[in-house]
Amino acid sequence: DIQMTQSPSSLSASVGDRVTITCRASQNITKYLNWYQQRPGEAPSLLMFAASTLFRGVPSRFSGAGSGTDFTLTIGSLQPEDFATYFCQQSYITPHSFGQGTELVIK
Amino acid sequence: QVQLRESGPGLVKPSETLSLTCTVSGDSISYYYWAWIRQPPGKGLEWIGDISYSGSTNYKSSLKSRVTISADKSKNQFSLSLRSVTAADTAVYYCARNKWDCSGGGCRPYFFDFWGQGTLVTVSS
Repeated sequence: DIQMTQSPSSLSASVGDRVTITCRASQNITKYLNWYQQRPGEAPSLLMFAASTLFRGVPSRFSGAGSGTDFTLTIGSLQPEDFATYFCQQSYITPHSFGQGTELVIK
Repeated sequence: QVQLRESGPGLVKPSETLSLTCTVSGDSISYYYWAWIRQPPGKGLEWIGDISYSGSTNYKSSLKSRVTISADKSKNQFSLSLRSVTAADTAVYYCARNKWDCSGGGCRPYFFDFWGQGTLVTVSS
């Protein structure tokens, strides 16, 4: 199975900050990397697919990069609604594994 | 708008079978892939398995001996059956649509674009 490792596990930041979350796959997954946001008590929601394609309705302050094994999610200027947990997920092969999550908290 | 809704018992006894149904509206399960994903309290997401538009299934290997995902196209529903449950199976269970990528000469699962609200299933006597 492909292991997905996110870093950091937790990140403290302020409104207006620029933050980057990293996701590493244990083997080459080409472009098949997705990012999700999960607010407390809610289901995850899709932010980005194919590493760098913004899902409809997602603000442009979110951006993604990477291919192969190393990927990043960047939030350009944090807004209050962005404080949530973020998960990466590979869809290259089954099982479609997720990273362990990065909790973004207000400093 | 595509909507998914999970239904089923919120409490299951150890060694019994967990059964959930996902009812889909706004789309037909005759297209795409349809998945079950779970999240133990305070933990991360775990893909359980999926069923395709053609009825083929894939399961996480560590759960394969206990899991069955099936579909009822007449009701536009798909279901999860997890046998011989233990406390470790306590989680919020989500159903989700896994949209496909057909750019490579065949169709493959791509990303989860619509999710149900989730249902907490507790395994306890």
